[in-house]
Order: sequence, then C-alpha cells, then structure tokens
Amino acid sequence: SQQGEEDPQALSIQEGENATMNCSYKTSINNLQWYRQNSGRGLVHLILIRSNEREKHSGRLRVTLDTSKKSSSLLITASRAADTASYFCATDAGAQKLVFGQGTRLTINP
Amino acid sequence: DGGITQSPKYLFRKEGQNVTLSCEQNLNHDAMYWYRQDPGQGLRLIYYSQIVNDFQKGDIAEGYSVSREKKESFPLTVTSAQKNPTAFYLCASSRRGGIGGSNQPQHFGDGTRLSIL
Repeated sequence: SQQGEEDPQALSIQEGENATMNCSYKTSINNLQWYRQNSGRGLVHLILIRSNEREKHSGRLRVTLDTSKKSSSLLITASRAADTASYFCATDAGAQKLVFGQGTRLTINP
Repeated sequence: DGGITQSPKYLFRKEGQNVTLSCEQNLNHDAMYWYRQDPGQGLRLIYYSQIVNDFQKGDIAEGYSVSREKKESFPLTVTSAQKNPTAFYLCASSRRGGIGGSNQPQHFGDGTRLSIL
C-alpha cells in the first residue's frame, strides 16, 4: 500500500538552481522522512520531520510539513551535479514500518 | 565502520530454485527490514523483524521466507513460489521506535539485484 506520492515524478534543472519536490499522504502520521537513492545503490536517510514540526533544515535541505493538507516538500538549494538521484518520502505505517512513495527522479544538468 | 552488508551484489536464479540473499548489520539495531524495488518504482515491504526470533509479513510476503536467529543477520530466501523474482532487493535496519510506533531512520545496504536465468 503506497501512502506517500511524490510530485513531480521527474525533474530536470540547471546546476545552481533550486529543486522542490512534493509529497502527499493519506492518513495521519507521527513523522515523515525523506531519503535519497543514487542509481543502483541503497537509500540514504536525509531528514526526519515530526508531526508537530512545520519546518526543518539540514545544510542545503529544507523540509516543510503541513499536516492539515497532508503534504510535505523537500527543497534543495543551490543544486549540484552530485544531487542527481531519486528522492523518496516515507511515512510511518505503525508497528515500526515505513511506507515509501514512488519517488522523484532529479537530474542536475551542468 | 558500522553499516549494513548485502551479498551477493548480483544473483541469478534458475527456474524452480530457491535462492538466499544475505543481510548483515553491525549497527546494533533491533529492527531489520527487506524491501523489493522494481524499475522506476518505490520500495515495497516484504518482511520485517523487530527483535530476534520474531518477524512479520509485509505487503508482499508471498513467495519469500526469512529467519532472524541472530541480531546481526536477517537472510531472505526467494522461493520457487515467487514467479516474478526479478527485482532489486534492499535490506535495512533501524533502532526500535518509541511509544506509539514512531519510526526511526532506516539504514540501507547497497542491494542485491536478482535476475532469472
């Protein structure tokens, strides 16, 4: 069962521009997490935002959470070629489980 | 360095054959997970274990089996009953969450790519 849905499915921007990805979900959550996956590799945890938080920063990453709209966004500022990857949101499904969305494929063009 | 090791990186299965994917972690995490990822898709949960000698089915457990005899190890067997096993398999681990099931970040291995011969 897929709870999180990312939008857009694919995004291509120029190096130095900002990239914004969105995630919508259906049921109430305790927290929402964002992960990055480089091609052919495992996922890497980026940031966790709890349901009582509205915004969180980590380096060039900014995550917002709007529980009233059941949505989150991930902003990557001043993008670099190394940011090229797929980005997934994940919501808790109870019992220590996560439900992942289908991801946004981000391409940074030099 | 602590982390999760999956092996082999590539695996080929003959029809009617069972194959086992290895997952070992030295992060001292209680919880471990197996996911399947198809091309261009997200992750789907196969099995998960919150503690040694206990595990639960995920969303797509049919045709798979697991064991959790040691805290560090969570092998996945893809049985001959799994008719479409070609996929990228990812293992993950995490600390146990707090009261109410609040999730902890998961740490992933680099996956095993399984194909049918």
